[in-house]
Amino acid sequence: AQSVTQPDIHITVSEGASLELRCNYSYGATPYLFWYVQSPGQGLQLLLKYFSGDTLVQGIKGFEAEFKRSQSSFNLRKPSVHWSDAAEYFCAVVPPSDYKLSFGAGTTVTVRA
Amino acid sequence: GAVVSQHPSRVICKSGTSVKIECRSLDFQATTMFWYRQFPKQSLMLMATSNEGSKATYEQGVEKDKFLINHASLTLSTLTVTSAHPEDSSFYICSATPDNYEQYFGPGTRLTVT
Repeated sequence: AQSVTQPDIHITVSEGASLELRCNYSYGATPYLFWYVQSPGQGLQLLLKYFSGDTLVQGIKGFEAEFKRSQSSFNLRKPSVHWSDAAEYFCAVVPPSDYKLSFGAGTTVTVRA
Repeated sequence: GAVVSQHPSRVICKSGTSVKIECRSLDFQATTMFWYRQFPKQSLMLMATSNEGSKATYEQGVEKDKFLINHASLTLSTLTVTSAHPEDSSFYICSATPDNYEQYFGPGTRLTVT
């Protein structure tokens, strides 16, 4: 079945440490790929997106993501997290020949001092 | 950047009443708008897709008579929860897209039905 998987439900990281959030997709062809962040009670903010081209994508707030076709992955990274990065992170895809977003289950990031 | 607003941000209503939520794209024309529902600590569930001037397309399992969607213009879509019940309490988020690829999300509306 076509799907978007975020294997980690919850990640706790120390402030200043690096962060990596995993995302895998299962589609016949490469979909358009997105990472969104949601603070409690808020809407979603786009961190970055991949449509084609350079497989390392830079986003806002110091985030980057790498598309790996061979692994069907689009993992999100940040070298040094800040307390304000504590939030819910969603990986999402627009499948080929479609325009609707399919979301992963989300990863909750907690930042400890 | 592209901005989408929602109104109201929070609403409390009594069981049996109807509630209307507005979604506006403030600085672009939206070819398509989407309505999502989000339960606590869960992901977003697409409810319906709407295009200006045409009937909304509802996802499987979503009652179109309960969740009325009107896409009156290229910048405005409304979701009306009719005869609301406590189980309709949820966080409703809209999004809009100018190109059917990238969606811009509103801040969400917290609906509580008492």
